[in-house]
Amino acid sequence: ETGVTQTPRHLVMGMTNKKSLKCEQHLGHNAMYWYKQSAKKPLELMFVYSLEERVENNSVPSRFSPECPNSSHLFLHLHTLQPEDSALYLCASSQEPVVTYEQYFGPGTRLTVT
Amino acid sequence: GIQVEQSPPDLILQEGANSTLRCNFSDSVNNLQWFHQNPWGQLINLFYIPSGTKQNGRLSATTVATERYSLLYISSSQTTDSGVYFCAVEGYGGSQGNLIFGKGTKLSVKP
Repeated sequence: ETGVTQTPRHLVMGMTNKKSLKCEQHLGHNAMYWYKQSAKKPLELMFVYSLEERVENNSVPSRFSPECPNSSHLFLHLHTLQPEDSALYLCASSQEPVVTYEQYFGPGTRLTVT
Repeated sequence: GIQVEQSPPDLILQEGANSTLRCNFSDSVNNLQWFHQNPWGQLINLFYIPSGTKQNGRLSATTVATERYSLLYISSSQTTDSGVYFCAVEGYGGSQGNLIFGKGTKLSVKP
């Protein structure tokens, strides 16, 4: 596979469930990102990882827990979510986490919290 | 923080027509990207264009950094061009990798 892949593509979970979103990049990049796209709101950056270290956390609630075991994989662990967390979650990667590199996005996971 | 405004918010075109989408930003930028989000949610890179002009087939983009705007031109539009077009920027001194997105222009191309 090439580019950035995400699984699952769709997820429905209850507020008491625990689930994880997975992202994998096949581009040899060193930086990975999680974004959230809610209805009628701009995309919002959640987390930035560079070489498996978190370098940015945009005040995201603790019910979202990222994990980056290596530079190719990124997870977003979800627990005790709220219905307002329903959104499209997008993963991206770039060569380095600095302004001069393009970010490439995965297809997203559409999450519904019931 | 830096503000990004896109216009128009919605655009309906007949197939074959041309269009111009605009992105205004409130401060100097190091990074500007245009994306197309298809109906399935996939964000596709169109251009990385912090300044200057680029062309790729029927699409071209121009960023005038000194005047803080970027334009995306779509010529001879096709129904497959439908979707939402986003402009995203990162300013000088911004957080690492923190692209700030506009609200997008929703384009519908009718056959």
